[in-house]
Amino acid sequence: GAVVSQHPSRVICKSGTSVKIECRSLDFQATTMFWYRQFPKKSLMLMATSNEGSKATYEQGVEKDKFLINHASLTLSTLTVTSAHPEDSSFYICSATDRTDTQYFGPGTRLTVL
Amino acid sequence: RKEVEQDPGPFNVPEGATVAFNCTYSNSASQSFFWYRQDCRKEPKLLMSVYSSGNEDGRFTAQLNRASQYISLLIRDSKLSDSATYLCVVELGGNMLTFGGGTRLMVKP
Repeated sequence: GAVVSQHPSRVICKSGTSVKIECRSLDFQATTMFWYRQFPKKSLMLMATSNEGSKATYEQGVEKDKFLINHASLTLSTLTVTSAHPEDSSFYICSATDRTDTQYFGPGTRLTVL
Repeated sequence: RKEVEQDPGPFNVPEGATVAFNCTYSNSASQSFFWYRQDCRKEPKLLMSVYSSGNEDGRFTAQLNRASQYISLLIRDSKLSDSATYLCVVELGGNMLTFGGGTRLMVKP
């Protein structure tokens, strides 16, 4: 089946730094990718919808200047957490839909901000 | 009121038991429904889609009641490997998924 990768899988950074997370669809083109966030023992929360070549659509309450999303190609979307703080520590998961609208999830990136 | 609600559990059941999870959703315009399974610290994986006519996949049976805005998942003959969190997921449209809080299942020997 289709595969979605994320890099890095884990990152630890100091407060105030920016962290970039990549999401790639490995064997299909994804016009739409989604970014989710999951807090410990909580469900996934959709952060934004990323469309190739256009601006991302952010969910209510998600700061677009804090979480920068770029979808530069049909196989790559990036999420940059700017000026990260400890409360940004979370599990970030991306997903991508193929031409049949089947959604595939990446393995997630665990961010820890010290 | 949450858009998708589930009993968080945990459900502790012995091997071989039958267990049922329920889920309710608030938006009557929801179009598609799914059950996902999530293992600890992993990404969610699609378990099965849920159709109005009800559908079965091996030991798993899913049902949808649009009138009551209610979805269920039945697991028969539980295995130790079924231990996980089961997420009820609703799609309003445009592939945008709304996740329930998940129900944790622990199958004991």
